[in-house]
Amino acid sequence: LAKTTQPISMDSYEGQEVNITCSHNNIATNDYITWYQQFPSQGPRFIIQGYKTKVTNEVASLFIPADRKSSTLSLPRVSLSDTAVYYCLVVGGAGSYQLTFGKGTKLSVIP
Amino acid sequence: EAGVTQFPSHSVIEKGQTVTLRCDPISGHDNLYWYRRVMGKEIKFLLHFVKESKQDESGMPNNRFLAERTGGTYSTLKVQPAELEDSGVYFCASSQDADQPQHFGDGTRLSIL
Repeated sequence: LAKTTQPISMDSYEGQEVNITCSHNNIATNDYITWYQQFPSQGPRFIIQGYKTKVTNEVASLFIPADRKSSTLSLPRVSLSDTAVYYCLVVGGAGSYQLTFGKGTKLSVIP
Repeated sequence: EAGVTQFPSHSVIEKGQTVTLRCDPISGHDNLYWYRRVMGKEIKFLLHFVKESKQDESGMPNNRFLAERTGGTYSTLKVQPAELEDSGVYFCASSQDADQPQHFGDGTRLSIL
């Protein structure tokens, strides 16, 4: 299973764009990258998923360079309600779909 | 559509007792997963069902844990007998296909006294 490394915590002011970068140096050819968000006392919530280049949905963008050894989750104009833990995960290699969670990045949005 | 629901939301039992957790996946989702977070640790995978079959149970900690999914709909996770180290939050997730995003319930908080 590919190991991921991401910042332990980040602070941001409301209205700013936040970029959280994750490294996954030993990502396998068949792996894809997925990001989850978790609020206290709730289960993780899927945000976005991608294999390469750029993926955008209504809440975030995911940038993946050509070598796929890292990825960046971009949250546009964050609000206080975006304060949460964000997990970067690498999934799918060798036919295993179990999610391997690390410690995640604790994002604190400040008014 | 209704999300993944878990019952109970919180259970407090004494060491040595038995507890059964239930998970109702999103309707039509063949894939069902159990995870848990014990105190101070990361969320860890327990097992993966495809319909009623166990696809991957490599994360099950020991034979005190029994997961079932009779009929391929809801699933139960029984802990018997419960030990102190089993305390934590047990999450269930489901997905339509295995390579689709997993949708999580809000978990069952299990406290063993």
